[in-house]
Amino acid sequence: AQTVTQSQPEMSVQEAETVTLSCTYDTSESDYYLFWYKQPPSRQMILVIRQEAYKQQNATENRFSVNFQKAAKSFSLKISDSQLGDAAMYFCAYRSNTGTASKLTFGTGTRLQVTL
Amino acid sequence: GAVVSQHPSRVICKSGTSVKIECRSLDFQATTMFWYRQFPKQSLMLMATSNEGSKATYEQGVEKDKFLINHASLTLSTLTVTSAHPEDSSFYICSAPAGQGRNQPQHFGDGTRLSIL
Repeated sequence: AQTVTQSQPEMSVQEAETVTLSCTYDTSESDYYLFWYKQPPSRQMILVIRQEAYKQQNATENRFSVNFQKAAKSFSLKISDSQLGDAAMYFCAYRSNTGTASKLTFGTGTRLQVTL
Repeated sequence: GAVVSQHPSRVICKSGTSVKIECRSLDFQATTMFWYRQFPKQSLMLMATSNEGSKATYEQGVEKDKFLINHASLTLSTLTVTSAHPEDSSFYICSAPAGQGRNQPQHFGDGTRLSIL
């Protein structure tokens, strides 16, 4: 079974600064997707960014980018120019590309605080 | 974009009551939907995979007689918490992949906060 580990329960960043959230995972598969989801206090799950395992190039979405190290099974999220609206819980998630089910396995989450 | 609607958003009821939660895909068909449970300050844990026209697949440790799942159409899955007790109080959230391809992202409902008194 796959596992996802987020070793930082809480992180804090000043507005306009950069922060990196860590995520590692364990799998024996070679074909999979990795995701970062944001969950603000409203509890809505918002997709931030996703990475396909067979792509070597790191995904980027505006201020959000990932550092995907497949051999090390690491998938960190970098948030640049942090904004107050970035404050939320961030979950790293894994999805196998094997079989028909596309269920997600989530990490334990990192609570990000953004300070003035 | 693809939208998943989940109702109700909040339920408060007495112990012993059965509670039904609906998850609808509004502008796409979903042969598969997923039900997650999230305790306060914890992660989302998959409870079951809802399959249109067939039985749901439950994760280990989830009581299928307690959490009844029905996926009677391509746009609706329901989760019924039967004879709910205070320990069933939690945040329940559904999701659905927007399409048949394996690269389709999942779209989440806004969740249901269930409180059993």
